Amino acid sequence: DTAVSQTPKYLVTQMGNDKSIKCEQNLGHDTMYWYKQDSKKFLKIMFSYNNKELIINETVPNRFSPKSPDKAHLNLHINSLELGDSAVYFCASSQVPSGRPSDTQYFGPGTRLTVL
Amino acid sequence: KQEVTQIPAALSVPEGENLVLNCSFTDSAIYNLQWFRQDPGKGLTSLLLIQSSQREQTSGRLNASLDKSSGRSTLYIAASQPGDSATYLCAVRGNNAGNMLTFGGGTRLMVKP
Repeated sequence: DTAVSQTPKYLVTQMGNDKSIKCEQNLGHDTMYWYKQDSKKFLKIMFSYNNKELIINETVPNRFSPKSPDKAHLNLHINSLELGDSAVYFCASSQVPSGRPSDTQYFGPGTRLTVL
Repeated sequence: KQEVTQIPAALSVPEGENLVLNCSFTDSAIYNLQWFRQDPGKGLTSLLLIQSSQREQTSGRLNASLDKSSGRSTLYIAASQPGDSATYLCAVRGNNAGNMLTFGGGTRLMVKP
């Protein structure tokens, strides 16, 4: 009955590979997010997505792309992995009622990506 | 561009002590501010969310205050316990599209038995 789940929990791969991280939420939320936490523990937003629009943080390289097969899933695809992509990636979701301030964001357990 | 700063970066206290964690943000045009807890190797757990129109929120031994005009929030933890040991993060939802949060660097709290 996990609210926001991510797979895999750990991912170790070689530079130059393409990989995906999956995220699913069973909360019925309409907005999902991807965050990156670097080695200094700073959390930064990468993407915000609902069924209407994708908002991209301008600092995110275009090697990163979110893909949403349906409202409950937002997967993160990464092409041509680089050493600097090593980090913990967190998925989150929230319900954003129209015209009202945003609601609490619920986070997944994170995926630790190591690029060798 | 919104910047969020948390002080102190690390804090160690004996069990039972009351403590205050500080968060400041540079752009006061926020929708809300959220406090999270992160345990080592784990995800984030939302503790409290304060809307921009509110001054404080309470949950159990936790009390969060918000002074939007001065760009500050505090998280007060009463009667601290070893189980409170974790990293505490504050995040603001600013006047940006996509409901994105800007996080502070966190305060790493250790409560010693």
